[in-house]
This record gives sequence, C-alpha cells and structure tokens, in this order.
Amino acid sequence: GESVGLHLPTLSVQEGDNSIINCAYSNSASDYFIWYKQESGKGPQFIIDIRSNMDKRQGQRVTVLLNKTVKHLSLQIAATQPGDSAVYFCAENYGGSQGNLIFGKGTKLSVKP
Amino acid sequence: DTGVSQDPRHKITKRGQNVTFRCDPISEHNRLYWYRQTLGQGPEFLTYFQNEAQLEKSRLLSDRFSAERPKGSFSTLEIQRTEQGDSAMYLCASRTGTGELFFGEGSRLTVL
Repeated sequence: GESVGLHLPTLSVQEGDNSIINCAYSNSASDYFIWYKQESGKGPQFIIDIRSNMDKRQGQRVTVLLNKTVKHLSLQIAATQPGDSAVYFCAENYGGSQGNLIFGKGTKLSVKP
Repeated sequence: DTGVSQDPRHKITKRGQNVTFRCDPISEHNRLYWYRQTLGQGPEFLTYFQNEAQLEKSRLLSDRFSAERPKGSFSTLEIQRTEQGDSAMYLCASRTGTGELFFGEGSRLTVL
C-alpha cells in the first residue's frame, strides 16, 4: 500500500494493495466521524463510523483511525479491489448539532487491475 | 425498496423557473436532511427535520429555498426563481436518532 499526504485529491493503488486515505477535520468539538464512499452518479454510501471516545474501529476490510490530538482521521482499506474505486469523503458531526455533518472535499481512489 | 427515494433524478430547467424535489425517507426514520453537492465537492448541509419540525437551516438556504415535511414522512425542497448557481446535486438523507445516515441517489438540477 502507500501512505498519502493529508487531503491528497487522488490516490492510485494496485489491486490487492492496502489503501490509506487521510482527512483533517476542523472542529475540536466534533464527537462523531464517518467515512462515506461515493460512486459516480450515486449518493454517498456509509462505510464506517467512529465516536470521539475511540481511536480505532474495524469493519470488514476497513479500519478507521482517529487522532484527536492532531484532528486527523484515516481510512484504511485492506486488499483494495476494483470495486473500491470511488470518491471517499470523511465527515464530522460536532456536539450540539443533530446531524449537520460537515464533509471534507474527498479523495478519489483509483484501483489499477 | 427500503432505501431513501428521491424524485426526479434529473431536472433541467430555465433560469427563473421554480423546481420542486421530493424525498421519501426510510419509513421508520424520524430525521430527514437535505444536502447540496456541486461537482468535485463534498455535500453541504442545507436543512434538517425531526418529524415535521424543521430544526436547523444552513445559511446556504436562501429565501428562494423552502423545505417542508408536512406529515413527518416525505419532504419537499422547492427552489424559486432558479439561478445558474443553483445547479447541483440535491441529496436527501434520513436516520433514526444518532444512527447511520442513509443517503438517497440525489436529484441533479441543471439550470440553463
């Protein structure tokens, strides 16, 4: 896999490699974070979420890491597949708002066969 | 179909016309959200309903925009006197409590 700098708009990986997508969030009061996947012409699709009292959460082939000290969120995708090609957005929900998710600009992941 | 449904999927209109979008959330979800997304950007929050009450509105929601959820089920988003800058994807999402937010496929608006 390859590690990318913060907020890189595109990421290209080889099929089977691990992908790491990074995100810097803005509000230290944010208490809930979500990663979404969006394919062309479709709505965002929930991947995984994490609350601020955790620093790591694992799903199927995906792991989200949260570093509150530097306000950084990452999404790791294991054994990346062509079907993972999409734009990935992180979103934050700061305390006191009932769902006003603030989305980042997104990272386009391209998986080469 | 148990997902969030939006209609129409694509609307082309002339500047100055009014348009209305409809969203049918997942049936047991009491919270409904509208977002706007322009090309290459993440979705931007517009407004949020809990049941029929509109509880939060973004500054993006100018006075030409109005959203309703009259019976706490489906919602409509109307844009009056459309401008070219209104061209975007309008996304609806729903959830119950603080659970996962489910998005619809969106309604794409093109203002000529």
